[in-house]
Amino acid sequence: QVLLVESGGGVVQPGRSLRLSCAASGFTFNNYAFHWVRQAPGKGLEWVAIIWYDGSEKYYRDSVKGRFTISRDNSKNTVYLQMNSLRAEDTAVYYCARDKASFGGDSLDIWGQGTMVTVSS
Amino acid sequence: QSVLTQPPSVSAAPGQRVTISCSGSSSNIGSDYVSWYQQLPGTAPKLLIFDNNKRPSGIPDRFSGSKSGTSATLGITGLQSGDEADYYCGTWDSSLSAGVFGGGTKLTVL
Repeated sequence: QVLLVESGGGVVQPGRSLRLSCAASGFTFNNYAFHWVRQAPGKGLEWVAIIWYDGSEKYYRDSVKGRFTISRDNSKNTVYLQMNSLRAEDTAVYYCARDKASFGGDSLDIWGQGTMVTVSS
Repeated sequence: QSVLTQPPSVSAAPGQRVTISCSGSSSNIGSDYVSWYQQLPGTAPKLLIFDNNKRPSGIPDRFSGSKSGTSATLGITGLQSGDEADYYCGTWDSSLSAGVFGGGTKLTVL
């Protein structure tokens, strides 16, 4: 069964760091690009970052550039999102999603259940 | 403000047909495929339409997609109460080198 399971969310103070993980199973992990997408409470979907199948290319939304880093470990079938210098506006449910393609830019066909990140003092 | 523009809400009676529009520009919808996602209350989004008009396995043919120029449309026929959800369009923006979504449209089945 194809599955993505996020973990690592929680409550963190502004300026602190958090690392999210996304564990994949049921398919050949290193054939696909992966995204992180977030959704603030009561708001719409907001794309955050993408990493290609081999980790060679990464892209970010402007508001997280220089603060967030997406990475992957193909030996562990896991994607990560390292979030530094967190701000209140980063508060959201963070979803991991599989891209249908290796190089990204295609549709997101598998989604995890999401992990909540709350940035508050 | 989202890069892709959708109406905030649409509504129709059970059994009726509804369409949801998604407007973009030459750097996103105009140059790449559009996908549509359904998010039922309290759940993760689910892929509904990919490559403008293709349905993943398991998605009924009541759902359809189309694209023309820099706009795309999701159509739902034979509305059911279970279709009440938020619907999002999405694609890649080559100028931003980023994924983009519409602001979402809340569908109410009257």
